[in-house]
Amino acid sequence: GAGVSQSPSNKVTEKGKDVELRCDPISGHTALYWYRQSLGQGLEFLIYFQGNSAPDKSGLPSDRFSAERTGGSVSTLTIQRTQQEDSAVYLCASSLALTGAAELFFGSGTQLSVL
Amino acid sequence: DQQVKQNSPSLSVQEGRISILNCDYTNSMFDYFLWYKKYPAEGPTFLISISSIKDKNEDGRFTVFLNKSAKHLSLHIVPSQPGDSAVYFCAASAYRGYQKVTFGTGTKLQVIP
Repeated sequence: GAGVSQSPSNKVTEKGKDVELRCDPISGHTALYWYRQSLGQGLEFLIYFQGNSAPDKSGLPSDRFSAERTGGSVSTLTIQRTQQEDSAVYLCASSLALTGAAELFFGSGTQLSVL
Repeated sequence: DQQVKQNSPSLSVQEGRISILNCDYTNSMFDYFLWYKKYPAEGPTFLISISSIKDKNEDGRFTVFLNKSAKHLSLHIVPSQPGDSAVYFCAASAYRGYQKVTFGTGTKLQVIP
């Protein structure tokens, strides 16, 4: 596919469990972002990757959150010991641009529900 | 600290009329501004952008205006169509070794046929 792909599209988990969210960016896009949108809120920045490195992790809300990217492509966002406040839509985006117009291409997101 | 603010959570407009969505920002380092549109169960899609060196950018029915002194931008849609009903996010970026994009909270636009 030509777009950003995220899986799963929906995830329901119990409080305290670990979850992994996956993102396949557009081929050739070196920049990759994770955002989340909680109910009634805007898009909250989580982490940015350039290639396999993450120069900006400032948005990760706690040490229960981590992310990695391998081969300059697929990224995985892991949430350990999930809490109810982690419930949100997790969005991945990729981009070609390092400067200038920062058009991000988003996936459809993973709706995470922590019971 | 909400650096990009959209103070109207929702807006209703009659089909054919103009829709005006507003956005305010606080960080003077922002050098690019963007609008994204989001339909339910889909990711946001890029709509239009403007560089800080300009005050207006047009693309078909969509025009973005930037007032740097007021730290304010707006998106005008004219004429509005029912298919424009969506959530619109204002975003701003600043170069910090990369283009860090900060989003507002969104405005839900409903265009009434």
